[in-house]
Amino acid sequence: QQQVKQSPQSLIVQKGGISIINCAYENTAFDYFPWYQQFPGKGPALLIAIRPDVSEKKEGRFTISFNKSAKQFSLHIMDSQPGDSATYFCAASGTGTASKLTFGTGTRLQVTL
Amino acid sequence: NAGVMQNPRHLVRRRGQEARLRCSPMKGHSHVYWYRQLPEEGLKFMVYLQKENIIDESGMPKERFSAEFPKEGPSILRIQQVVRGDSAAYFCASSPQGGSSEAFFGQGTRLTVV
Repeated sequence: QQQVKQSPQSLIVQKGGISIINCAYENTAFDYFPWYQQFPGKGPALLIAIRPDVSEKKEGRFTISFNKSAKQFSLHIMDSQPGDSATYFCAASGTGTASKLTFGTGTRLQVTL
Repeated sequence: NAGVMQNPRHLVRRRGQEARLRCSPMKGHSHVYWYRQLPEEGLKFMVYLQKENIIDESGMPKERFSAEFPKEGPSILRIQQVVRGDSAAYFCASSPQGGSSEAFFGQGTRLTVV
């Protein structure tokens, strides 16, 4: 019940295209859903996050779509750039002792010229 | 405002030695989380600490691993009698409050056991 399932495992997108990464969760106690971007040899960097009281959040080229009833959320990267090539992790957390982040398995994104 | 600081960045230990990893949270953050990342895998939760308290250690192996976050100084993750399977990247994250809130990660310590 603590799992967060992420797909696809890897993704190749042309420059200017839209990258879409999907995640699904089971634990209904989760109430915070961040996305992290990680470059090789670096720590995860918080990209964007959403709470279940909204269905969509947009920051620049990055958008999270959230479907509470389906227990799914996704990251859309518009106008994908080669500099976006990285591994993306979705995560979920709850409150109190459940505030630890449960991570998806990651999506390796490659944006080609 | 400095980010989460971890040191050392790289650590090589022989089997049976002790590894000590340090994490200084962001200024004003009193909640610290440790995660482990194996090559080509996601991050796995290990332990959640507040100053002088362990809140959740459900992800910590029962033996050889311990963590602390003293009143003064950085949080320490200690691995005793390291084995090759302990080789991984260890990340620390801090947040200003418990509950579901923003957590910021350090650059990690890459432990190699030879």
